[in-house]
Amino acid sequence: SAVISQKPSRDICQRGTSLTIQCQVDSQVTMMFWYRQQPGQSLTLIATANQGSEATYESGFVIDKFPISRPNLTFSTLTVSNMSPEDSSIYLCSVVGGAGGGNEQYFGPGTRLTVT
Amino acid sequence: LAKTTQPISMDSYEGQEVNITCSHNNIATNDYITWYQQFPSQGPRFIIQGYKTKVTNEVASLFIPADRKSSTLSLPRVSLSDTAVYYCLVRPGGYNKLIFGAGTRLAVHP
Repeated sequence: SAVISQKPSRDICQRGTSLTIQCQVDSQVTMMFWYRQQPGQSLTLIATANQGSEATYESGFVIDKFPISRPNLTFSTLTVSNMSPEDSSIYLCSVVGGAGGGNEQYFGPGTRLTVT
Repeated sequence: LAKTTQPISMDSYEGQEVNITCSHNNIATNDYITWYQQFPSQGPRFIIQGYKTKVTNEVASLFIPADRKSSTLSLPRVSLSDTAVYYCLVRPGGYNKLIFGAGTRLAVHP
């Protein structure tokens, strides 16, 4: 299993600013993902955070807007840049594996972002 | 990736068995069927995964017919705490990206 923590748990930000969300896992994992969940909606995959290389973005998401870092096998950050009210969402970190291996996917508690 | 279709919402009462059916007509030979549960203000949680026939764990059962074009998640004797959104996903074996559909919003009433 894997225990994931995210910081901050929530934030209210002004439009035009940027917010960096941190994801910390309690064990080394090979794969980390970032998802967005808009109010009342399902989850949308933003990108795969690759350790030691650039993230792989899904259609509709770009690095300039959502830069991602993954400096090691237990940590990643997602930055939401130049925010607008449309970026108000819950952002979730997800990992595959964790202690004991396996291919089950685990999710963090999410970061609730409100842009005013 | 195969598209999934499931009911938008369902209602049930405490103590009843709930069956949520998911349609995945374009499922491929090496695809697995996975179900996740999401409570409000939490990330999704893995419930069960299967390839064919029946899989059972301490939380639920998953029934998959021979043609694998659908699957049914069965929750025995639900309680109020089972109120959540349930997502059916299809993914190839060894493929780790999860693509979520709309999910089924289950409401359990007293």
